[in-house]
Amino acid sequence: DAGVTQSPTHLIKTRGQHVTLRCSPISGHKSVSWYQQVLGQGPQFIFQYYEKEERGRGNFPDRFSARQFPNYSSELNVNALLLGDSALYLCASSQSWGYSGNTIYFGEGSWLTVV
Amino acid sequence: KQEVTQIPAALSVPEGENLVLNCSFTDSAIYNLQWFRQDPGKGLTSLLLIQSSQREQTSGRLNASLDKSSGRSTLYIAASQPGDSATYLCAVGEYKLSFGAGTTVTVRA
Repeated sequence: DAGVTQSPTHLIKTRGQHVTLRCSPISGHKSVSWYQQVLGQGPQFIFQYYEKEERGRGNFPDRFSARQFPNYSSELNVNALLLGDSALYLCASSQSWGYSGNTIYFGEGSWLTVV
Repeated sequence: KQEVTQIPAALSVPEGENLVLNCSFTDSAIYNLQWFRQDPGKGLTSLLLIQSSQREQTSGRLNASLDKSSGRSTLYIAASQPGDSATYLCAVGEYKLSFGAGTTVTVRA
């Protein structure tokens, strides 16, 4: 079975532009989360979706938004890009939400560089 | 707010030596603790998941322990190999994971 897949793998954007990152969870997984990882740091939680509803939001500005589709894939959108948005964006999926023992699986990430 | 700390930030060991990686967290009311491996420029690979009711988990050469009362977890890697060189991250939480900054391990051949 395919793991968590993300696209694009690398992209370069200019300050002020908009970016859309895509994620397909593992087959059968209904929960998708997004994380931002700046070089040298651990990932920071951005959003979590389960059954197409937002279940959690991290401490990120409103320029960041996301959604989950009926097939459980997800998009992360970032508007008005800043240099500080340059990071590895990771998508994670899990079967369910809200219980102990729920292993979370990550994709390879999308490298975003803002110039 | 959950704070997760991993010490040391980096370590280098000769091949064959056992590795001991530490993780501490401030809020003991956790659901799960998960250990991940990250190779340079890559995503995260799940290594072990310890549920809050468990004290340890084992997979091959890897063993992870959890002491909620003291807010600590330890990942042991037996008989290290050069292929174990990577950054190891611990994370706590149910769906919203709080990560440490990781320990970067180099195993010298």
